[in-house]
Amino acid sequence: GAGVSQSPSNKVTEKGKDVELRCDPISGHTALYWYRQSLGQGLEFLIYFQGNSAPDKSGLPSDRFSAERTGGSVSTLTIQRTQQEDSAVYLCASRYKRGDNTGELFFGEGSRLTVL
Amino acid sequence: GQQVMQIPQYQHVQEGEDFTTYCNSSTTLSNIQWYKQRPGGHPVFLIQLVKSGEVKKQKRLTFQFGEAKKNSSLHITATQTTDVGTYFCAGPIGNYGQNFVFGPGTRLSVLP
Repeated sequence: GAGVSQSPSNKVTEKGKDVELRCDPISGHTALYWYRQSLGQGLEFLIYFQGNSAPDKSGLPSDRFSAERTGGSVSTLTIQRTQQEDSAVYLCASRYKRGDNTGELFFGEGSRLTVL
Repeated sequence: GQQVMQIPQYQHVQEGEDFTTYCNSSTTLSNIQWYKQRPGGHPVFLIQLVKSGEVKKQKRLTFQFGEAKKNSSLHITATQTTDVGTYFCAGPIGNYGQNFVFGPGTRLSVLP
């Protein structure tokens, strides 16, 4: 596709249920990022994938959060046993990382998660 | 860990007034990027600065990268209602600059 695609755009779930959020990056982009943005707040880094390297999971807030990237393309962010504080917009971004570390992030529209 | 700070957190201006937001990093950055997020939207890349002391302009927007490559600024001349949104700076972190840390953003409101 032309841009980063995320699904679902909106998800309402009950506390304790598991959710999966999907991100389809721009073709050819080797780097993929997940951020979380609570209402009116900044971008909280969650996890980063670069090619075949081990992902940087340093931003995941708890072991209820996990993510994978299959075939170096599509990524899924999974939140188990959701809590109300997980309610936020989850943003995915991809990037073609150049050798000099330049290269901008292209963001998807985000997945808005509401935990009741 | 590396931190990126921005001031002010909020700015309300009358249409036609100028606006400046400042970004400061706790460590030297190899480059810095600026993004704009419109209300209800997602962040969109504006510009990247790489060189020490670099200044770039995009119409009414002027971006500067400090000599020490630890701070940056975005200045908007004669604001318009279309400038409304949150402006984020971001810098690469990690051994190879592969990850990005975002500042908390400056939310700009423009009163017509």
